[in-house]
Amino acid sequence: DGGITQSPKYLFRKEGQNVTLSCEQNLNHDAMYWYRQDPGQGLRLIYYSQIVNDFQKGDIAEGYSVSREKKESFPLTVTSAQKNPTAFYLCASSIDLGSSYNSPLYFGNGTRLTVT
Amino acid sequence: AQSVTQLDSHVSVSEGTPVLLRCNYSSSYSPSLFWYVQHPNKGLQLLLKYTSAATLVKGINGFEAEFKKSETSFHLTKPSAHMSDAAEYFCVVSDSSGGGADGLTFGKGTHLIIQP
Repeated sequence: DGGITQSPKYLFRKEGQNVTLSCEQNLNHDAMYWYRQDPGQGLRLIYYSQIVNDFQKGDIAEGYSVSREKKESFPLTVTSAQKNPTAFYLCASSIDLGSSYNSPLYFGNGTRLTVT
Repeated sequence: AQSVTQLDSHVSVSEGTPVLLRCNYSSSYSPSLFWYVQHPNKGLQLLLKYTSAATLVKGINGFEAEFKKSETSFHLTKPSAHMSDAAEYFCVVSDSSGGGADGLTFGKGTHLIIQP
């Protein structure tokens, strides 16, 4: 079955450490996205990529970095510069970055990051 | 600029009774509107989508939403709640100027509780 796989499901890190969250899709989608979810806050876009080797900042990119070396993979690194990294992180993909009506988002099951 | 307001952070209904989750939006353009559902510790799943074709939209699992331009609303309904409907629901707006998923605005979510 096609889908989006995020790993690990839970991640614990000490403050000051960088951490990388994995996202892999086998849907053959061109576009991929990273969202951050905090309780009662909805989803906020961190980064997105519409093609290999290209990505764009979203609304809250500070303290995060991404890469898109392969179509299937879009890892997110949470750096020590991110002031409040504890959150639920969701990866998503869509066929392309065109009409969101014709190209809805498909989500992974998320990674819950706790930084102490 | 666009925005979306989910009028209730929590809604509690008894199993077998109707469900109403309220969503108001603002958009400078003709919007596309979506409802997504999120079960605990999972990603989001598309319930239904609207874009100018028909004002009453049918989705999965018996959910419907009606677009009312005069009221700038896109409320989600279901005639009879089931225990499996307990989840977080997100109303999402996309303005047609950008169109892509990078232009989506998520509401803060409504937590639906189903009482046995």
